[in-house]
Amino acid sequence: EVQLLESGGGLIQPGGSLRLSCAASGFTFSSYAMSWVRQAPGKGLEWVSIFSGSGDSTYYADSVKGRFTISRDNSKNTLYLQMNSLRAEDTAVYYCVKSAEQWLVRGLVDYWGQGTLVTVSS
Amino acid sequence: EIVLTQSPGTLSLSPGERATLSCRASQSVSGSYLAWYQQKPGQAPRLLIYGASSRATGIPVRFSGSGSGTDFTLTISRLEPEDFAVYYCQQYGSSPWTFGQGTMVEIK
Repeated sequence: EVQLLESGGGLIQPGGSLRLSCAASGFTFSSYAMSWVRQAPGKGLEWVSIFSGSGDSTYYADSVKGRFTISRDNSKNTLYLQMNSLRAEDTAVYYCVKSAEQWLVRGLVDYWGQGTLVTVSS
Repeated sequence: EIVLTQSPGTLSLSPGERATLSCRASQSVSGSYLAWYQQKPGQAPRLLIYGASSRATGIPVRFSGSGSGTDFTLTISRLEPEDFAVYYCQQYGSSPWTFGQGTMVEIK
């Protein structure tokens, strides 16, 4: 059974930093691209960043480029999101998601974690 | 960036009725790489449809998708009580992969 367990969310002041983690199990982690998708309170979904399974490709939404860094440790089956220079508009539930297509770096998602809430406020 | 516009914003229907949800793209979605997700309150989204018309594993046959190019449709043939939720379309053919703003299907 595929499981994605996020951690690291919380309340942070504007300009601060936070690192999210996602522990994955139930599938061959290194074979799939992994992404972060966020959802602001009461709003829709926004894809944030993706990291290829092989580790040679990363992409970012323009809204976070230069501030967020995605990484992964295939030996630990863990995905990370380092978030710097946080803004109020980054407040959202952050979901760790698994790409549905093996080896492809594409945004089709077949599994979602339960999400971790990041609140940026003074 | 491909912008997806969903309509209507809210659909008020009764159990047993047919639901038709629309998703229009600002430019052609390559390869019909269009997906639909369902989200219930307090839960993560769930994949329903991919490739515009293929049902994901375990999705009931009352859910069907159609369309190509810039116009796509999700149809729920007969609404069950558990189908009342928010539905999002997503294009995954061109980075950045974008979502529509959602359609809420509510009980009339």
